Amino acid sequence: AQSVAQPEDQVNVAEGNPLTVKCTYSVSGNPYLFWYVQYPNRGLQFLLKYITGDNLVKGSYGFEAEFNKSQTSFHLKKPSALVSDSALYFCAVRDEDSGNTPLVFGKGTRLSVIA
Amino acid sequence: KAGVTQTPRYLIKTRGQQVTLSCSPISGHRSVSWYQQTPGQGLQFLFEYFSETQRNKGNFPGRFSGRQFSNSRSEMNVSTLELGDSALYLCASSLDRGGSTTGELFFGEGSRLTVL
Repeated sequence: AQSVAQPEDQVNVAEGNPLTVKCTYSVSGNPYLFWYVQYPNRGLQFLLKYITGDNLVKGSYGFEAEFNKSQTSFHLKKPSALVSDSALYFCAVRDEDSGNTPLVFGKGTRLSVIA
Repeated sequence: KAGVTQTPRYLIKTRGQQVTLSCSPISGHRSVSWYQQTPGQGLQFLFEYFSETQRNKGNFPGRFSGRQFSNSRSEMNVSTLELGDSALYLCASSLDRGGSTTGELFFGEGSRLTVL
């Protein structure tokens, strides 16, 4: 079975500082990993994905994520946080060998960027 | 290109009633997935429809059902509502089966259901 964990319910960071939102996963095969963001009263928006290749993936709005197979992690990062980055962030995973099974989402991490 | 449209956006029901939620996917998308979002549980998968057939089903009771029409529009129904059904119900569409290849699901803004 595939699963994903976001160990922090809330992350607070000052504007201009780097931010990290943590995600760890568990799959039996190779992982497909994703980050989505949800702004207040909106649906989720795709940020970035890791399928294969370079471990550092760049996505929308200046976000990037690093795939670390040995630590089974896929942390979301941004060098300089903006107040507008404040939102709910979801990590999701699918096992490459699981066929067309649905994405499994974490419980989300609320990011608050303070001016 | 219009995004995923969900109706109604907000609704209030009482216990024992039933509710039907509607989702219109992005034009050309044949896969529609439904998720339930609650503060404590995050996003939980309900079901996925592709070409009018249910392809995947999550671990929800039979009170939760859905269907997909030939134009790819989808509806979900919850019968005999319980207080615990209060949640944001999100619909997502994709070109491929549940975003299985691209991983990219396009979400609507959700239908917020409150059960009193």
